[in-house]
Amino acid sequence: QSVLTQPPSVSGAPGQRVTISCTGSSSNIGAGYDVHWYKQLPGTAPKLLIYATTNRPSGVPDRFSGSKSGTSASLAITGLQADDEADYYCQSYDSSMMFGGGTKLTVL
Amino acid sequence: QLQLQESGPGLVKPSETLSLICTVSGGSISSSSYYWGWIRQPPGRGLEWIGSLYYTGSTYYNPSLKSRVTISVDTSRNQFSLKLSSVTAADTAVYYCARRRGGSGNYYMDVWGKGTTVTVSS
Repeated sequence: QSVLTQPPSVSGAPGQRVTISCTGSSSNIGAGYDVHWYKQLPGTAPKLLIYATTNRPSGVPDRFSGSKSGTSASLAITGLQADDEADYYCQSYDSSMMFGGGTKLTVL
Repeated sequence: QLQLQESGPGLVKPSETLSLICTVSGGSISSSSYYWGWIRQPPGRGLEWIGSLYYTGSTYYNPSLKSRVTISVDTSRNQFSLKLSSVTAADTAVYYCARRRGGSGNYYMDVWGKGTTVTVSS
């Protein structure tokens, strides 16, 4: 069981907005550590999507945004597209690097 | 453009040692700005950080794997390696190498290799 808790799955129709939560505790997200997000397509390596809670690497569309409040963080995706269908992982720090269990996003 | 490539045996017998190499191209492993690391993903499951290393040889390991893991660097070849001893079926996974950025606990992996599948079976 992961220290960072994500919903196993979320879904949305094309064009809609979805959010993926990442719930931690006072020893990781609540302690002020950044949250990072990765997107993983089937059979491929994870790709950095959001770093330092709110920042997008070059090439990541502004449809993707990150936020944090208290002991939780969220990834928001607006204008949902078919190629957003993937697994999404949050990651933070709690004495060592920690990943959430992952969330499968289905585009209906 | 920085690229990382994992290599090593795809099949390891139980109780033996898993050995993988990550070759870095398009950049120097000796850069003072980055650490390097290994992450694994068992079939159908999530990501697990294994450990990270600096080009000087300083290492940091996942406490749950620390007794079995050794990560080392060969700066002359621009490579770093992973050894995991006494493997069992639970170590079957896709193993990724990656570049680590950030500091003071705010670490993240910004460049990943494609991954290599390792199966533990007799």
